[in-house]
Amino acid sequence: AQSVTQPDIHITVSEGASLELRCNYSYGATPYLFWYVQSPGQGLQLLLKYFSGDTLVQGIKGFEAEFKRSQSSFNLRKPSVHWSDAAEYFCAVGAPQAAGNKLTFGGGTRVLVKP
Amino acid sequence: ETGVTQSPTHLIKTRGQQVTLRCSSQSGHNTVSWYQQALGQGPQFIFQYYREEENGRGNFPPRFSGLQFPNYSSELNVNALELDDSALYLCASSLFAGQGTDTQYFGPGTRLTVL
Repeated sequence: AQSVTQPDIHITVSEGASLELRCNYSYGATPYLFWYVQSPGQGLQLLLKYFSGDTLVQGIKGFEAEFKRSQSSFNLRKPSVHWSDAAEYFCAVGAPQAAGNKLTFGGGTRVLVKP
Repeated sequence: ETGVTQSPTHLIKTRGQQVTLRCSSQSGHNTVSWYQQALGQGPQFIFQYYREEENGRGNFPPRFSGLQFPNYSSELNVNALELDDSALYLCASSLFAGQGTDTQYFGPGTRLTVL
């Protein structure tokens, strides 16, 4: 069975500083990987996804993620954080079902942005 | 393009009651997945519907059931509510086209409180 671990429950970063969120996955086949962001009381917004090809993936809001098969990781990065990036971030791995992916999520990382 | 919508936004029920949550999928999508997100945790896959049939189910008891309608909208029904059913219920829609590279887009969720 697939699983996702996000080792950092909380991260505090100063506005303008860089951000890296860690994600490790366990999956027996080629993984489909996703990062979602959730603002308080809201649903999930897709930041980026990896299916195949270039292991460095660009997403929305200036985020990027790098797939490293040897480390079973898919870490999310942003060079310069804005106050509006304060939210909870979820990494997910997709396992194909009969009609699409079943997503398994990590426990999330809450990002706090200091002025 | 209309995104995923869910109703109601909030709901309060008592133990033993039954509840129905509704989801309208994004225009052009044919698959709906439901997730339960308990407070402070990542979402957990409940089940997925395609062509009005359940295709894939997570580790949830049979009292969690669903429907998908010809217009691809969906309902989640939970019978005999328990206190642990209190959570944010998220609906996600996607376009299944015969491959596993579908992307799920989430609605804002329904917050269910069981007293």
